[in-house]
Amino acid sequence: NAGVTQTPKFRVLKTGQSMTLLCAQDMNHEYMYWYRQDPGMGLRLIHYSVGEGTTAKGEVPDGYNVSRLKKQNFLLGLESAAPSQTSVYFCASSYPGRVEPQHFGDGTRLSIL
Amino acid sequence: AQKVTQAQTEISVVEKEDVTLDCVYETRDTTYYLFWYKQPPSGELVFLIRRNSFDEQNEISGRYSWNFQKSTSSFNFTITASQVVDSAVYFCALSGSYNNNDMRFGAGTRLTVKP
Repeated sequence: NAGVTQTPKFRVLKTGQSMTLLCAQDMNHEYMYWYRQDPGMGLRLIHYSVGEGTTAKGEVPDGYNVSRLKKQNFLLGLESAAPSQTSVYFCASSYPGRVEPQHFGDGTRLSIL
Repeated sequence: AQKVTQAQTEISVVEKEDVTLDCVYETRDTTYYLFWYKQPPSGELVFLIRRNSFDEQNEISGRYSWNFQKSTSSFNFTITASQVVDSAVYFCALSGSYNNNDMRFGAGTRLTVKP
């Protein structure tokens, strides 16, 4: 089972460039999330989705956009990359409800020069 | 506001030692869930355990055990007879909203187990 797959695994961008990170899950989960992980700060929620066609802001949404056109996919976009967005990005998915654990992808390491 | 504090940034032990990772949380919700995740050097996050706020029983799974104390808002994680494979970053997390969309993670504790 693939679980949660993130593409790409590594990327280097120049300031001002744009890019899209792709997350795909094969567990038929309703909920999907994008987090960023920075040293000493744990994981912080960027955006999330509770179903196909819906998205919402998390704790640190500025500078990012997301789309959930299909249930199994959740895209994270950087319109104009900034060095402050250098981070490791994790996608996760879960069944609805706060009791459900989230299943994470392997992460995407993104560097903005 | 919800907050999770893992005061121990890094811990280093020698194999076979017992080690406890601390987690202290803050929430105004009466119903909430606590989680522990493991992030090995390969980078992925692995779910270890969840606990709801109404169940204060300690849990043991092999060499792992968890101590949930509502009175001190703590959910500590103990590894008994640690092994090199336990080396990882461990995250404690708290979910208080119905939709599980405001899960807050602690900053993590990096555990190094030396042979």
